[in-house]
Amino acid sequence: GDSVTQMEGPVTLSEEAFLTINCTYTATGYPSLFWYVQYPGEGLQLLLKATKADDKGSNKGFEATYRKETTSFHLEKGSVQVSDSAVYFCALVRETGNQFYFGTGTSLTVIP
Amino acid sequence: EPEVTQTPSHQVTQMGQEVILRCVPISNHLYFYWYRQILGQKVEFLVSFYNNEISEKSEIFDDQFSVERPDGSNFTLKIRSTKLEDSAMYFCASTQGLAILSTDTQYFGPGTRLTVL
Repeated sequence: GDSVTQMEGPVTLSEEAFLTINCTYTATGYPSLFWYVQYPGEGLQLLLKATKADDKGSNKGFEATYRKETTSFHLEKGSVQVSDSAVYFCALVRETGNQFYFGTGTSLTVIP
Repeated sequence: EPEVTQTPSHQVTQMGQEVILRCVPISNHLYFYWYRQILGQKVEFLVSFYNNEISEKSEIFDDQFSVERPDGSNFTLKIRSTKLEDSAMYFCASTQGLAILSTDTQYFGPGTRLTVL
């Protein structure tokens, strides 16, 4: 079945460090891929998305490229800030159907 | 900024009791969802709801679960007889249209943490 596997956390980085959170997926056809972020006490917020192979999603300095050949959608940011501390979820939606498949979430803590 | 709200933020109940988790989706949204996340595990889809009926549900969503839109604003998840393994964070979400088509308007609530003792 469809699924998403993402990097185990927690991840702790110093401010201005480079961030990579790995995400790979299993799905038939051409799913759409997403990264969601959850700040403490808040709901899941869409961070970025990509709907077809080789698309790059970007937002707030974060980027992820839809790689069909490696079934991956790794999240990157060149220089993290303390305010980026949150839990990050990778997810997919199939071409048909209406439900999201999420990963387990990766907790990121950025220290000054 | 429109938002999905959920109440309560934390619910503690005894095994075998019924619980109702409440959600207020965005007012002009048409599709509603429940997800759950058991501690340390993936966020799992439970059910989607459209036009006053269930449009899709997962294997988790058995006869112990039900959903309802009792009025024009609330969307509820009922668990009839809670089990220890129902302890989880439950997220409500809503979209204006189909999730695959309207991802820019996919909104999630902050979640209700259910603890079954």
